[in-house]
Amino acid sequence: DAGVIQSPRHEVTEMGQEVTLRCKPISGHDYLFWYRQTMMRGLELLIYFNNNVPIDDSGMPEDRFSAKMPNASFSTLKIQPSEPRDSAVYFCASSLSGLTPSWEQYFGPGTRLTVT
Amino acid sequence: DQQVKQNSPSLSVQEGRISILNCDYTNSMFDYFLWYKKYPAEGPTFLISISSIKDKNEDGRFTVFLNKSAKHLSLHIVPSQPGDSAVYFCAASGWDAGKSTFGDGTTLTVKP
Repeated sequence: DAGVIQSPRHEVTEMGQEVTLRCKPISGHDYLFWYRQTMMRGLELLIYFNNNVPIDDSGMPEDRFSAKMPNASFSTLKIQPSEPRDSAVYFCASSLSGLTPSWEQYFGPGTRLTVT
Repeated sequence: DQQVKQNSPSLSVQEGRISILNCDYTNSMFDYFLWYKKYPAEGPTFLISISSIKDKNEDGRFTVFLNKSAKHLSLHIVPSQPGDSAVYFCAASGWDAGKSTFGDGTTLTVKP
């Protein structure tokens, strides 16, 4: 399996622009997570889905952030409009319920977002 | 309120010696505790886990110890190797088993 795939790997955009991050989870996994990593706040969970349904979006910082999972093999995280404080590395991860009792997650390589 | 804390941002050890990474948590409802390793420009990868009903789990050079009364867990790496140099994240999951709470990470440097 190719693992979790994220695109783009790097994104540089200007403040006010729309940014869309993409994620393809591991085939068959039923959970998908979006995280943000910054120096100040560490690894934050933004939102997660179970069977394509958003379960908990309490970590989404503001209404400028939105996430969708139209099918089991694709998810997007959109920021509109983007701001310099959104600069971070965004990770997507997936897991399979029942695979193991410890619920380990499989992470993608991340998207490094820079908003100027 | 940070439920999972790694109080040491960094740790440096000599090759061949033991590395001990620590993690504290506040939520007694956590069922599983996990350690992830992260290299630069990569996502975290799962390393080892332990159930709340156990106090030790071992996998090769890696052992995780859990002290429930102290709400403390530690990861021991013996012997440490330069390739172990990475950021180590402690994580915990509970009743909402799909969701894990992560610590801030500890950067381990193993010197040759």
